Amino acid sequence: AQSVTQLDSQVPVFEEAPVELRCNYSSSVSVYLFWYVQYPNQGLQLLLKYLSGSTLVKGINGFEAEFNKSQTSFHLRKPSVHISDTAEYFCAVRLGSARQLTFGSGTQLTVLP
Amino acid sequence: EAGVAQSPRYKIIEKRQSVAFWCNPISGHATLYWYQQILGQGPKLLIQFQNNGVVDDSQLPKDRFSAERLKGVDSTLKIQPAKLEDSAVYLCASGTETYEQYFGPGTRLTVT
Repeated sequence: AQSVTQLDSQVPVFEEAPVELRCNYSSSVSVYLFWYVQYPNQGLQLLLKYLSGSTLVKGINGFEAEFNKSQTSFHLRKPSVHISDTAEYFCAVRLGSARQLTFGSGTQLTVLP
Repeated sequence: EAGVAQSPRYKIIEKRQSVAFWCNPISGHATLYWYQQILGQGPKLLIQFQNNGVVDDSQLPKDRFSAERLKGVDSTLKIQPAKLEDSAVYLCASGTETYEQYFGPGTRLTVT
């Protein structure tokens, strides 16, 4: 069975500081990895995805993530955050040809002025 | 391109009552998903449709939850009778062959 662990439930950070949101997964087969963002009272929006190829993936809003197969991680990073980045961030994994996503429990990113 | 539409956005019911949620996916998306998101948790898949057929409903509490997708487009999720623990946001998503899923705004259900 696949599982996704987001190690930090809450991450406070000051505006313009860098941030890393951690995600680890457990799977013995090939995976596809995703990060979604959820603003209050809204649905989930795709930030970026890793399907294959380069392990460094760039997404929207200046976010990027690096797939590390040996450490089974897919951490999300942004070099300089803005107040508007305050939201819940979810890591998700999808096995091989399956269409089902398994989500982590989420990380609340709060950007402080 | 219009996104995934859901209605209602909010619903408050008493336990043992019934409720239904509606979802209209992005045009042309064959795959449709219903997720349950309990406060403080990630979304959990309830049911997945491919066109109008069920692909996976292993986590759907079938004694009280039902879903259908007539004509392979719109979908309805029903709960009857509702329990307090059903309070959650119900998210609908539609997907493409490139593994992306596009989510609607969700329906926030409160069971009192």
